[in-house]
Amino acid sequence: GQQLNQSPQSMFIQEGEDVSMNCTSSSIFNTWLWYKQDPGEGPVLLIALYKAGELTSNGRLTAQFGITRKDSFLNISASIPSDVGIYFCAGQNYGGSQGNLIFGKGTKLSVKP
Amino acid sequence: KAGVTQTPRYLIKTRGQQVTLSCSPISGHRSVSWYQQTPGQGLQFLFEYFSETQRNKGNFPGRFSGRQFSNSRSEMNVSTLELGDSALYLCASSSGTSGGARTGELFFGEGSRLTVL
Repeated sequence: GQQLNQSPQSMFIQEGEDVSMNCTSSSIFNTWLWYKQDPGEGPVLLIALYKAGELTSNGRLTAQFGITRKDSFLNISASIPSDVGIYFCAGQNYGGSQGNLIFGKGTKLSVKP
Repeated sequence: KAGVTQTPRYLIKTRGQQVTLSCSPISGHRSVSWYQQTPGQGLQFLFEYFSETQRNKGNFPGRFSGRQFSNSRSEMNVSTLELGDSALYLCASSSGTSGGARTGELFFGEGSRLTVL
């Protein structure tokens, strides 16, 4: 089945640094989403992207829907300790059912104060 | 607005037993899906229900089943448990309807952590 390659798998950064992570696929998606999961909780939606080339921000977070429709990027500026967690990308195809949502394996972010 | 509620939060079972997990979606959400999360495989889609009908199913054996009630609450059942079924089972709801652009905007519960011994 379809798979998303999410990188890096993990990151250890200093508070205040910027963070970049990305997701690539061999297939086209018409929707890209980014979720964050804190320990002991379910994932929470951060940003949803619906148009190729779209750049969307949510506070210190910025995500982009790649022009080829096969990739997406998430950037976090000026990281803080509460940014710690696992970040998942997800791609969705036409059909509009949740069953078409494919998740990456996640990027585990650790922030040193 | 109350979030997605899953019960129980933690449970321990032995091989061969069966388990039922419950999920109450956000009020007004008619779509409920279930995911299995493990360290090795990540988030794997189990199935999705919309208005009491299974709309989509992932690649899991028939031991995994689910249903949705008229009030949108959902249950999933795993029969004849195996060690490999140990995982965090997440329920998610959304307001998106079939074919709609926002069906990927999911609201997850905290999960039910199942340990099979």
